[in-house]
This record gives sequence, C-alpha cells and structure tokens, in this order.
Amino acid sequence: GEQVEQLPSILRVQEGSSASINCTYENSASNYFPWYKQEPGENPKLIIDIRSNMERKQTQGLIVLLDKKAKRFSLHITDTQPGDSAMYFCAASLSSGSWQLIFGSGTQLTVMP
Amino acid sequence: EAAVTQSPRNKVTVTGGNVTLSCRQTNSHNYMYWYRQDTGHGLRLIHYSYGAGNLQIGDVPDGYKATRTTQEDFFLLLELASPSQTSLYFCASSKTGGNQAPLFGEGTRLSVL
Repeated sequence: GEQVEQLPSILRVQEGSSASINCTYENSASNYFPWYKQEPGENPKLIIDIRSNMERKQTQGLIVLLDKKAKRFSLHITDTQPGDSAMYFCAASLSSGSWQLIFGSGTQLTVMP
Repeated sequence: EAAVTQSPRNKVTVTGGNVTLSCRQTNSHNYMYWYRQDTGHGLRLIHYSYGAGNLQIGDVPDGYKATRTTQEDFFLLLELASPSQTSLYFCASSKTGGNQAPLFGEGTRLSVL
C-alpha cells in the first residue's frame, strides 16, 4: 500500500537550536498533512497541520513546509526546549477526498540541555 | 470537551484467548478508527467506520474484527489472540474523513502471552 517515509527516526539537538523532520509521500493527490506529538505514556496529539493549498504554515515555534512538486513536507521546531522531547509523527491523506491518513514511522526527538 | 475513551487501559491474555477492546466518543464524530502502534512501524490502521453499522478494512486487518454499534461506540475483537498482536492500540475519531486529523484516545496496552 501507499507509504509515508519519515526521517530521521532519531534526532538529538541542543536546547535552543532548531530541529527538522522530513516526510515524503507517494500520491500526488494527497491534500492534507497533519503532525502529531506523542509524549511517553500518552496518546498522539495534533500540533499543526497543512493543506495542499498552502506552502507554509507557522504557529507557536512550529513551521510546516509543503513542497507538492517534490511530494515532501517538513516540520521545523525553532528554539527547541527540553519539553519538545517526544515522538513526532507525520501523516498524509491517502488520496484526494479519501477518509484515510497514512502515518510515518515516527521521529524520536531528544532536546539536550 | 472532546474526548475518546478506551477500555480497558491494560489487558493481558493468553494465546488463543478472546479479547474485546472498547471505544466511546462523545464528540458527534462520524468516523472512528482503530490503530495499532509498534516500534518502527508508527501507527497502522486496522479498521475504521464512518457510521453506525458501517465497517471498513484498514491496512492491517488480519486477525481482527470490529463492530460499530452506535455512533458513539466502536469495538475491536480479537477472537484467537496471538503473540504478534501484542501492541499498543489506539482508538480515534474525526468528524470527517482523511481531511481532518483524528482525535486519539488514551490507548490500550495488550499483551498476548
């Protein structure tokens, strides 16, 4: 089936620096791309999303970029803090109008003090 | 406040055992989903439903049945549990399909011995 590739699987950064996570998808008709954060022992929570009619979205230290031509989208966390340490998942809608989201395999981010 | 409630939160069973995982949402959402989360695989869709009495197959349905009895309630059934089904299971719901990020429940950790 269709897949979303997410890299890197492990990311360690110094507090105050930026962290970037990249995802690629297969179906050019995919039109919705959410990002989730999951802390240890908890459920995944939506942190930001972007639709295909946008190339960039920013909220509270998070930036999402979407390159439809390359079928690639990315999450950038600016000025990272220890509280940003968590598992992050990207997802892409299976195809235009479809009900289904396909998730990446996750990135374990550690922010070192 | 929007919520998805799963029960039980933890379950241990033996190979060949019969297990039912329950999920209730009080968000008036149409779509409900069952995912399993395993290290290295992210979140994989087992079954989903877009309304009472409806059932759709996800990406990893083998060994699982599901039933949506009401708009609020969605059940996942493992009739002959196997060790490969040891996993963290999440239920989720959304108003519409693939263009809206699902809201996740707290998860059920299942161990099949």
